[in-house]
Amino acid sequence: GAVVSQHPSWVICKSGTSVKIECRSLDFQATTMFWYRQFPKQSLMLMATSNEGSKATYEQGVEKDKFLINHASLTLSTLTVTSAHPEDSSFYICSAPPGLAGVYLLGDTQYFGPGTRLTVL
Amino acid sequence: GIQVEQSPPDLILQEGANSTLRCNFSDSVNNLQWFHQNPWGQLINLFYIPSGTKQNGRLSATTVATERYSLLYISSSQTTDSGVYFCAVELNTGFQKLVFGTGTRLLVSP
Repeated sequence: GAVVSQHPSWVICKSGTSVKIECRSLDFQATTMFWYRQFPKQSLMLMATSNEGSKATYEQGVEKDKFLINHASLTLSTLTVTSAHPEDSSFYICSAPPGLAGVYLLGDTQYFGPGTRLTVL
Repeated sequence: GIQVEQSPPDLILQEGANSTLRCNFSDSVNNLQWFHQNPWGQLINLFYIPSGTKQNGRLSATTVATERYSLLYISSSQTTDSGVYFCAVELNTGFQKLVFGTGTRLLVSP
């Protein structure tokens, strides 16, 4: 089946620093990838949609200048948490529906990465 | 926005028992998926089920889109079924955007 990886799997950083999280589709290409955030014992909340070759679109209430997204290629999207603070500590998960430019493969399902646990001290 | 509610929020089962998890959504949707999140946080696709019934081993799911609900059945539960179960709906207006339900936390004891 389709595989999505994330790196790193966990990271601890000091308040005020920036952290980059990578999301890769390993065996398929994806024009679009999604970034979610999950606080402890809560559900997943969509943060933004990453679009290859164009700007990301952010959900209401998500600061685009704080959460920088770059979709550099058809297999890689990165999320950078800038000037991280303790309230940014969370579990960040990416997902990708296989497909290019609206043509979807593999039954249109989405595949999720294993997540990155961010702790800001 | 759309509301996606799951019930029950928590469920404790003895190994071998059967259970039904419910997902209600407040508006019409394109599609619905069920996921299992294991204790390490990995989301595992269970079903892609916009309507009708599907079965995969001990799991089956039914979605009645006209009545805006979906059910996930777990039969002969095992300890490895423990974790959190989420349904997620794809909005009609969103480009494969998923809105996740509130989740059901399942613990299967030996």
